[in-house]
Amino acid sequence: GAVVSQHPSRVICKSGTSVKIECRSLDFQATTMFWYRQFPKQSLMLMATSNEGSKATYEQGVEKDKFLINHASLTLSTLTVTSAHPEDSSFYICSACWGAGYNEQFFGPGTRLTVL
Amino acid sequence: AQTVTQSQPEMSVQEAETVTLSCTYDTSENNYYLFWYKQPPSRQMILVIRQEAYKQQNATENRFSVNFQKAAKSFSLKISDSQLGDTAMYFCAFILFGNEKLTFGTGTRLTIIP
Repeated sequence: GAVVSQHPSRVICKSGTSVKIECRSLDFQATTMFWYRQFPKQSLMLMATSNEGSKATYEQGVEKDKFLINHASLTLSTLTVTSAHPEDSSFYICSACWGAGYNEQFFGPGTRLTVL
Repeated sequence: AQTVTQSQPEMSVQEAETVTLSCTYDTSENNYYLFWYKQPPSRQMILVIRQEAYKQQNATENRFSVNFQKAAKSFSLKISDSQLGDTAMYFCAFILFGNEKLTFGTGTRLTIIP
């Protein structure tokens, strides 16, 4: 089956530093990747959609300069949280799919970010 | 805009019993897909079952089945012979045909009691 990995699984950083989270599709080429944020006991909120080789599309209310997304290849997308602050602490999940229109999204295991 | 509502924040049931999780959605479109995802304590999202709106027959996957009522915009999940491993958050989700974005409900925390 299609497998999506995320690295790191958890990260703790100091306020003001930047953190990069990687999302990889291991056995398929992902034309589209999605980044979600999930607060404790809440649902997944879509942050942005990224297509390989083009700029990410951010959801309303998501700061583009704060959450930098790069989808440089068909198997890798990165989310960089710049100048992280405690309120950025959350669980970040990526998903990936291939093809045009609807195709099943395969989810990564998530990354827990804690900003001190 | 599409919305998905799960009115049961938490549920619990004895092992081996049957439980039904509710989901309603709102859309003016006719072609779409509906899903139930499971998120166990590991936080890994797992697709449980999928329903295409154009199909009248309810989807079934082993112990999991849905009751899809298109006119009522209702999409409930029935888990038969519940097992301890079914303990998880369950999210109902919606996607328009030809679209990419999933819209999730708020989730139902299901606990299976030994």
